[in-house]
Amino acid sequence: SQWGEENLQALSIQEGEDVTMNCSYKTYTTVVQWYRQKSGKGPAQLILIRSNEREKRSGRLRATLDTSSQSSSLSITGTLATDTAVYFCATPQGSALGRLHFGAGTQLIVIP
Amino acid sequence: GALVYQYPRRTICKSGTSMRMECQAVGFQATSVAWYRQSPQKTFELIALSTVNSAIKYEQNFTQEKFPISHPNLSFSSMTVLNAYLEDRGLYLCGARYTSNTEVFFGKGTRLTVV
Repeated sequence: SQWGEENLQALSIQEGEDVTMNCSYKTYTTVVQWYRQKSGKGPAQLILIRSNEREKRSGRLRATLDTSSQSSSLSITGTLATDTAVYFCATPQGSALGRLHFGAGTQLIVIP
Repeated sequence: GALVYQYPRRTICKSGTSMRMECQAVGFQATSVAWYRQSPQKTFELIALSTVNSAIKYEQNFTQEKFPISHPNLSFSSMTVLNAYLEDRGLYLCGARYTSNTEVFFGKGTRLTVV
C-alpha cells in the first residue's frame, strides 16, 4: 500500500471545533490530493497540493505537505455539520493524475 | 460545470451473471476514465484506466476478461462485470478527467450487490 494508515479512521467532534486529519505515504510523490466523499456520493476533490507548496488554503480548509516526513494533513476550521463525510488523501500512480491511489480515509462526524 | 453521471445507481445480480454499468461525462471531454471499486470499508481499488486512442491499462488482479471496458468517445465509458460473484460486490466509481493535469471528476457510483 502507498499509505501508512490501513484502516478507516473515525473522528467525532462538535460543530464549531477545528479538526486536522493526517496521512502518511510510503512512496515519493510530488502531488497529494484531498477528497471528500459524502454519503451516497462519489469523492470530490477539495485541495491539490504540490511538493513546492508546503501549505495551501481554500476557505476553511488548509492542507500541508511535508515531503521530508512524507506526510500530509488537512485541517478544517470552524466545522459545520455539513462537513460530515469521509475524507481521503490520494496520490497519483505514475506521472498523471488519472490513476489515483487513495488512503484508507477518515470518517468525520460533526455533531450539530 | 463538469459532471459525471453513473447508471444504474444500484443493481442486484445473481451469482454467475453479468452486469454492465455506464459512465457519462457532461460539460467536459473525458479524455481519460478510471474505474475504481470501493469496498464497504471505504477502501479503493483501481481497476483500470482508459484513455481515448490508447490501450486500456488494467491493474494487477483485474483483467479485461473479467471487467471489459469500452470508451468509444469523449463523453462515455462502460464497464461490465462478467460472471459476478460475492467478492465483486462494492461501489464501482468512474473518475474522468480532461488532461493529465486537470481535476478528476467522479460519479456517484454504481453499487453492485451479488446474491
